[in-house]
Amino acid sequence: QKEVEQNSGPLSVPEGAIASLNCTYSDRGSQSFFWYRQYSGKSPELIMSIYSNGDKEDGRFTAQLNKASQYVSLLIRDSQPSDSATYLCAVLYGATNKLIFGTGTLLAVQP
Amino acid sequence: DGGITQSPKYLFRKEGQNVTLSCEQNLNHDAMYWYRQDPGQGLRLIYYSQIVNDFQKGDIAEGYSVSREKKESFPLTVTSAQKNPTAFYLCASSTVTDTQYFGPGTRLTVL
Repeated sequence: QKEVEQNSGPLSVPEGAIASLNCTYSDRGSQSFFWYRQYSGKSPELIMSIYSNGDKEDGRFTAQLNKASQYVSLLIRDSQPSDSATYLCAVLYGATNKLIFGTGTLLAVQP
Repeated sequence: DGGITQSPKYLFRKEGQNVTLSCEQNLNHDAMYWYRQDPGQGLRLIYYSQIVNDFQKGDIAEGYSVSREKKESFPLTVTSAQKNPTAFYLCASSTVTDTQYFGPGTRLTVL
C-alpha cells in the first residue's frame, strides 16, 4: 500500500460543477494534512491545511478529513477553467515528521 | 517582499559535472527542504535541515550534497555520482512543525 494514494485522473468536470478530489493515507498517527495546487511547469502552492476531523471551508474550497477511515478530500465548488491543475495531497507522517506527497490528481475543468 | 527564491530557473549539466542549485528564504523559517519531482511521480525528499549547521538525508540523497551555513540559505549540489539528475527540483521552507511553502523550482537537464 502506498503511503499517500490519489487517483491520477484526469478528472474532468464542466465549468460551474463541484470537483471532488480524494486521498487516502496509511499512517494512523498522522495529524496534519495539506492540499497543494500545481499548474503545469510551476511549483506547488498551498490551498488548504486541515488538522481535525470534519470540514474546513475557505472560499470555494472545502477540505474534509476522516481520520478513522484515513482519508482526506478536497471539494471545489463552482469550478472554473483556471482551477485546471494537478492537486497534490500531502500528509505529515507522525512517526518521521516528514511530509509525504501523493502523485497528484489532474483536474480538467471544461468551459 | 517575503518568500523563497531559487536560481537558476533552468540549468543544463554536462555529464561528469557538479552543479549547485541555490535556495534562499526570508521568511525566518528554521526548516528547509529539497525535493525532486519527476513526471508522473510525487515529490521525493532529497535532504532537509531543521537548524543551521545540521541536515539529514531524505529518501533519495545518493548523488546529492547540501550545506546549511546560514538560516536563509540551503544550496543543493548535484554531483556527478547522480546518474539520472534530469528533474524538477523544488526547495521548501517551514517552521519546524508547520506548513511547507515552495520556491519556484529549478529545472535541471543533463546534456
